[in-house]
Amino acid sequence: DIQMTQSPSSLSASVGDRVTITCRTSQTINNYLNWLQQKSGKAPKLLIYSASNLQSGVPSRFSGGGSQTDFTLTISSLQPEDFATYYCQQTYSPPYTFGQGTKLEIK
Amino acid sequence: EVQLLESGGGLVQPGGSLRLSCVASGFTFSSYAMSWVRQAPGKGLEWVSVVTSSGDNTYNADSVKGRFTISRDNSKNTLFLQMNSLRAEDTAIYYCARGRYFQDYWGQGTLVTVSS
Repeated sequence: DIQMTQSPSSLSASVGDRVTITCRTSQTINNYLNWLQQKSGKAPKLLIYSASNLQSGVPSRFSGGGSQTDFTLTISSLQPEDFATYYCQQTYSPPYTFGQGTKLEIK
Repeated sequence: EVQLLESGGGLVQPGGSLRLSCVASGFTFSSYAMSWVRQAPGKGLEWVSVVTSSGDNTYNADSVKGRFTISRDNSKNTLFLQMNSLRAEDTAIYYCARGRYFQDYWGQGTLVTVSS
């Protein structure tokens, strides 16, 4: 199975900050890497698919990058609605594992 | 508008069974693979199963292999998850989601509680 290491597990930031979350996989996954956002009590929401493709309707302040085994999610200027938990997910090989999550909190 | 509506959750004793359903609307169901993802209380997301658009191929997490079966009825736009030999650690919200390589639409989830 492909192991996912997501960091940090929590992050405190202010509105307007630029933040980056990283995800490392235990083997190359050919960019089969997604990023999801989950707000408390709600279903997850797809933000980025295939490492760098912005899902329709997602604000352009979200961007994804990286390749091989190292990937990033960047929020260029935090907005109040962005405080949530973020997950990476690999879909290169089943089981399609998720990272442990990054809880983004208001400083 | 794409909609996914799960049902079938509830309280079940350890060793028992449940069948979850997910009714889809707003898209051509038979053209998409479908997935189940779960989330234990206060924990992260855990991928469970995926079925291809035709239903011919399925894949499951190691934690549910031999106990859970994913299937679909394309004539009824419905996805299923048959869960047998349930354990306390299966307690979670179960989400159905559209897609295999990325899940672009999600249902609201149905809660399964395994407890005596």
